[in-house]
Amino acid sequence: EVQLVESGGGLVRPGGSLTLSCSTSGFFSSIYAMSWLRQAPGRGLEWVASIRPGGRFIFYTDSVKGRFTISRDSGKTSLSLQMNSLRAEDTAIYYCARALTSDRADYAVQGYWGRGTLVTVSS
Amino acid sequence: QSVLTQPPSASGTPGQRVSMSCSGSTSNIGTRGVAWYQQFPGTAPKLVIYDNDKRPSGVPDRLSGSKSGTSASLAVSGLQSEDEAIYYCATWDDSLDGVIFGAGTKLTVL
Repeated sequence: EVQLVESGGGLVRPGGSLTLSCSTSGFFSSIYAMSWLRQAPGRGLEWVASIRPGGRFIFYTDSVKGRFTISRDSGKTSLSLQMNSLRAEDTAIYYCARALTSDRADYAVQGYWGRGTLVTVSS
Repeated sequence: QSVLTQPPSASGTPGQRVSMSCSGSTSNIGTRGVAWYQQFPGTAPKLVIYDNDKRPSGVPDRLSGSKSGTSASLAVSGLQSEDEAIYYCATWDDSLDGVIFGAGTKLTVL
């Protein structure tokens, strides 16, 4: 069974840093494109970043470029999101997601999602 | 303001067919496949349509998708109370170089 479990969320002050982790099981995560998406309280979905299997191709939404870094561990079983210079508008539930199939790099097609972890940026 | 435009709400009675739209442009829907997600309160989104009209395993064929030009639609036939949720459309935008979502349509079963 495919499972994605996020961790690392919490309360952080504006300007602070936080690292989210996504632990995967039930599939070989090294061969799938992986992504982070978020949802602010009471708002819609927003794509944050994606990384291809080899880790060479990485994409970010404009609002997090230069502040967030997506990466995969060397064993390729987990995904991370390093978040720096956090702002109030980064407050959201952050979801880890996996591409539907291993042969596609269509980052709009997320076949599996974790339950999410809440990040709150507030003083 | 979302790049993809969705009506905020849609509704129908049990058994009816309801459709909802997603309007974009040539840099997104016009040249890319569209995905649809279903989300219930307090839960993660679930992929229900991809590549405009394909259903992942386990999604009932009462849900169907289509695309024409720069617009896409999701239809739910034989409406059931369990279909009450928010539906988001999504695609890649070549101008923004990223994934974009519509603001979502809340489907209410009357």
